[in-house]
Amino acid sequence: QVQLQESGPGLVKPSGTLSLTCAVSGDSFTSSNWWSWVRQPPGKGLEWIGEVYHSGLTKYNPSLKSRLSMSVDKSKNQFSLKLSSVTAADTAVYYCARGIIAVAYAFDIWGRGTKVTVSS
Amino acid sequence: EIVLTQSPGTLSLSPGERATLSCRASQSISSSFLAWYQQKPGQAPRLLIFSASLRATGIPDRFSGSGSGTDFTLTISRLEPEDFAVYYCQQNDASRTFGQGTTVEIK
Repeated sequence: QVQLQESGPGLVKPSGTLSLTCAVSGDSFTSSNWWSWVRQPPGKGLEWIGEVYHSGLTKYNPSLKSRLSMSVDKSKNQFSLKLSSVTAADTAVYYCARGIIAVAYAFDIWGRGTKVTVSS
Repeated sequence: EIVLTQSPGTLSLSPGERATLSCRASQSISSSFLAWYQQKPGQAPRLLIFSASLRATGIPDRFSGSGSGTDFTLTISRLEPEDFAVYYCQQNDASRTFGQGTTVEIK
């Protein structure tokens, strides 16, 4: 059974860097999956942030690209997100998700989400 | 960027009724890469439909998807109490984007 678990600070100061990790269990980074981040500001809809392939290849939301960095750590079976120069607008619940070819790369598995607040 | 517009914003229905949700894309997308998700308060989204019309594992057959090009539809044939939630469409054809969501609420 594949499970994803987000972790990271729940509070980040304005202009700082938001860093999150998603631990993957029950799957490996040698498979042909994309590993994504999605966020949801309070009371609002879903926004795709970006994704990383097992090779380290990345795709980013153009609106966030200049502030984003994603990577995989195969030895720890986890992938990470770094978002720099954060503002209050980056306050959201952050989800990690798996995009798998069996469902045409839709997101079949999601983490439970982690709430991140940007505030001084 | 492909923009997905969902309508209506809110659908007020009673259990047992039929729900029809629309998702319109700003440009034509491959139906292979159109998905629908359900989200309940405090929970992560759940995949319902992929490739426009294929149900994900464990999804009841009262959920169905259809459409092509720029117009896609999610239909819930008979609403059960657990179906009242927010529904999002997503395209994975050119990058990835979500619609803004449709809330299905109890009338």
